[in-house]
Amino acid sequence: EVQLLESGGGLAQPGGSLTLSCAASGFTFINYDMIWVRQPPGKGLDWVSSISGGGGNKLYSDSVKGRFTISRDNSKNTLYLQMNDLRADDTAIYYCAKKVLSPGYHFDYWGQGTPVPVSS
Amino acid sequence: QSALTQPRSVSGSPGQSVTISCTGTSNDVGRYNYVSWYQQYPGKAPKLMIHDVNERPSGVPDRFSGSKSGNTASLTISGLQTEDEAHYHCSSYTGRSTWVFGGGTNLTVL
Repeated sequence: EVQLLESGGGLAQPGGSLTLSCAASGFTFINYDMIWVRQPPGKGLDWVSSISGGGGNKLYSDSVKGRFTISRDNSKNTLYLQMNDLRADDTAIYYCAKKVLSPGYHFDYWGQGTPVPVSS
Repeated sequence: QSALTQPRSVSGSPGQSVTISCTGTSNDVGRYNYVSWYQQYPGKAPKLMIHDVNERPSGVPDRFSGSKSGNTASLTISGLQTEDEAHYHCSSYTGRSTWVFGGGTNLTVL
C-alpha cells in the first residue's frame, strides 16, 4: 500500500525557516518524480516544487524560487522541502504527492498534509 | 503561472448532473491533454478522479467524466449522490515538470 506521510510543519515566524519531510512507502521511491503542493486557508491548491526520481531535476514556482529548496534522500525514501525567509502568504497546508510514471502527468497518491502557519 | 479559473461553487440535487469548468490558457489547458481533476473532502488529502482530460482511474465511478474544448476543461458528474459533495480541483501540466492548479470548486448536493 502506497503511503506518504508529511511531517515538520508548525508555527513559523516571518523570515524564519522550516524543513518539511515526506516519508514514502509501498513503492519504489527512486523511480518516481515527486512534488510539493500547498493549500492556503480556504483556497485552492498551488503547485510549489517538483523533483525527478534521481533528484537531478528540480523546478519551483515563481512565488518560492530562491527561498525554498526541494530535495530527496532515496536511501531513506524521503522527500524534503526546506523553506527559508518565510512570509505570511506561505501559510498553508503542505502536501507531498507522487507523480505517475511518464508519459503521465498527474498525481495518484497524496499525503495527508502538514500545516505551516507563518505568523509573528 | 496564473491559476486556472474555476467557479467558486456549484450545486445540484441528487440524481441531477453538474459540470465544473476549468479555464486556462493556450500555454496550459489548451496546449496539453494532461488535465486532471481531484476530489477533496474537508481536512482530507486530494484524490485523483480524472486524468489526461477524460481518463478515470480504477475505482472511480463512471458517473465522473471529463472533457476539454480549447482552453477550457470540464468535469461532469452525472447522477449526483450526496457523497459527491466535496471540493474539486483541476490541474494542468504546463511543461518542463511544472503544473498549475485551479482555485477549487465547492460542490453542494442539495
